[in-house]
Amino acid sequence: GIQVEQSPPDLILQEGANSTLRCNFSDSVNNLQWFHQNPWGQLINLFYIPSGTKQNGRLSATTVATERYSLLYISSSQTTDSGVYFCAVAPGYNKLIFGAGTRLAVHP
Amino acid sequence: EAGVVQSPRYKIIEKKQPVAFWCNPISGHNTLYWYLQNLGQGPELLIRYENEEAVDDSQLPKDRFSAERLKGVDSTLKIQPAELGDSAVYLCASSSFFGGGTDTQYFGPGTRLTVL
Repeated sequence: GIQVEQSPPDLILQEGANSTLRCNFSDSVNNLQWFHQNPWGQLINLFYIPSGTKQNGRLSATTVATERYSLLYISSSQTTDSGVYFCAVAPGYNKLIFGAGTRLAVHP
Repeated sequence: EAGVVQSPRYKIIEKKQPVAFWCNPISGHNTLYWYLQNLGQGPELLIRYENEEAVDDSQLPKDRFSAERLKGVDSTLKIQPAELGDSAVYLCASSSFFGGGTDTQYFGPGTRLTVL
């Protein structure tokens, strides 16, 4: 089956720093989503981005489908950005395959 | 617009006991998913419904797990009997995908199950 690899596995930042999270996937996909799982366990949609570039405030994402990777950019990080960031892909339709996540800790 | 609702949020039971989780998807979403998330890992699909039909239950351990979505709206996931290894977070998600194409999945807050 399709493999989803996220890097780095862990990231520690000072408030205000920028970061880039990467998601590599081993086959073509119809769906790619980025999620933030907050410390209370809620999975929050960040982007639906099977291809192209999107921005939402301090967050932006780019997926290069032909090269099978996606990047999530976090600018001017805040302590509320802490948590786990998941990349999930659907090689067919609907069944999301999640990566292992990037655990982010933002310190004041 | 209300999000995906799940209950209970937490459940502690002894092994061999039955347990049930309930999910109400976002209004109008015809596709409903149950995922299992073990500690430190990403969620994994257990079952997917399109309306009331289970169209992908290949990862559901059918000897002890069952699910239903009788009227194509809310859904119940049951474990009977529960084992120690079932301790995890059970997540429900919904989307408005049907019949092709892709759509965004929205997740509920999950039910954290502890089996003692």
